[in-house]
Amino acid sequence: QSALTQPPSASGSPGQSVTISCTGTSSDVGGYNYVSWYQQNPGKAPKIMIYEVTKKSSGVPDRFSGSKSGNTASLTVSGLQAEDEADYYCSSYAGSNWVFGGGTKLTVL
Amino acid sequence: QSQLQESGPGLVKPSETLSLTCTVSGGSMNNRAYYWGWIRQAPGKGLEWIGSIYYSGNTYYSPSLKSRVTISVDTSKNQFSLNLSSVTAADTAVYYCARHPLPPSNWFDPWGQGTLVTVSS
Repeated sequence: QSALTQPPSASGSPGQSVTISCTGTSSDVGGYNYVSWYQQNPGKAPKIMIYEVTKKSSGVPDRFSGSKSGNTASLTVSGLQAEDEADYYCSSYAGSNWVFGGGTKLTVL
Repeated sequence: QSQLQESGPGLVKPSETLSLTCTVSGGSMNNRAYYWGWIRQAPGKGLEWIGSIYYSGNTYYSPSLKSRVTISVDTSKNQFSLNLSSVTAADTAVYYCARHPLPPSNWFDPWGQGTLVTVSS
């Protein structure tokens, strides 16, 4: 069982917005503003998209954004494009260790 | 821009020790701004952080794996290594190495391409 809870799947049509949640506890997500999001395509290594809750990694399209409220962080993809179809993982600092979520498969319908 | 590459046996027998090495190119591991970590992904499953090491040898380990994990660094070779003892089939996974800034910073980048390790007799 992963430390952070993500929905197994999410979907949306091109142009729509979709939000993926990542729920932890006050010992990880809720306790630190150090949440990151990764995109993983099949057979590839994860790619950093968002770090420190809201900051976008270099080259990440503006349609990706991150936020946090309490023990839940969220990744929003606005204006979905076909190329956004991938697995997405959240991660949080948890006090001398790091934890990941179980991943969400985003499908563009 | 640093690049990372994992290497090691693709098949390990149950109860034996899994040993992998990550070679860093395009930058020195003596860079005091970064830690160097291991993350794994079981087939069809999510990511799991295993542990991280600083150039000085300071380490952080996952509480769930701490009793079986040793991570070491050889800055002269620009390499760091993972040893995972007493492996079982549950340790079958793609193992990635990645760089991340000093705690509590939480972005792993770049990553190696990953190497699949299968635990089987």
